[in-house]
Amino acid sequence: NAGVTQTPKFQVLKTGQSMTLQCAQDMNHEYMSWYRQDPGMGLRLIHYSVGAGITDQGEVPNGYNVSRSTTEDFPLRLLSAAPSQTSVYFCASSYSFRGVSSYNEQFFGPGTRLTVL
Amino acid sequence: TQLLEQSPQFLSIQEGENLTVYCNSSSVFSSLQWYRQEPGEGPVLLVTVVTGGEVKKLKRLTFQFGDARKDSSLHITAAQPGDTGLYLCALEDSGAGSYQLTFGKGTKLSVIP
Repeated sequence: NAGVTQTPKFQVLKTGQSMTLQCAQDMNHEYMSWYRQDPGMGLRLIHYSVGAGITDQGEVPNGYNVSRSTTEDFPLRLLSAAPSQTSVYFCASSYSFRGVSSYNEQFFGPGTRLTVL
Repeated sequence: TQLLEQSPQFLSIQEGENLTVYCNSSSVFSSLQWYRQEPGEGPVLLVTVVTGGEVKKLKRLTFQFGDARKDSSLHITAAQPGDTGLYLCALEDSGAGSYQLTFGKGTKLSVIP
């Protein structure tokens, strides 16, 4: 199993450009999510999905879109990049979200470091 | 939304010393997870605590869940340079229809050889 993969690993954008961060998992996990990590701010949830075709907003959704057409993939789209979106982005997945606590372990990808100039 | 406070924010100690880091919530939670994140990588789960008063051990790491289910601690005995990293606690949002994990801001630990 490759686990959770993210591409690209690094990206530099100019203000106003759009791009998609890719995330895929091969563990047949229902739950997938996107976080951003900024110095001193911890991990903040952007969007999440509890299954194919179902997405919802997290704590900081503005400026980002997601879709979940398959169980495996959960791309994050930046519509018009802004310097405030400079951050490290992590995708995570888990078998489910509720119920037995062991099913809720989040498996994280290696992250995408994004700089917006 | 439940708030999680982690303390201290930074900790720098010598190899062989003991340390404790804390995670406190503004309200009762059903379970709490501890993660460790090494530089340039994603967080990795260390343990999940579920029962009030629960104590779990993972080699030199001891995790405790407060009786009132509002706090948790992580104690490391005889710290080693390999323990260096960011320690994060996270809890499940208990709101109806919500499926969100809330993370604390973390404790950044440096163990000096």
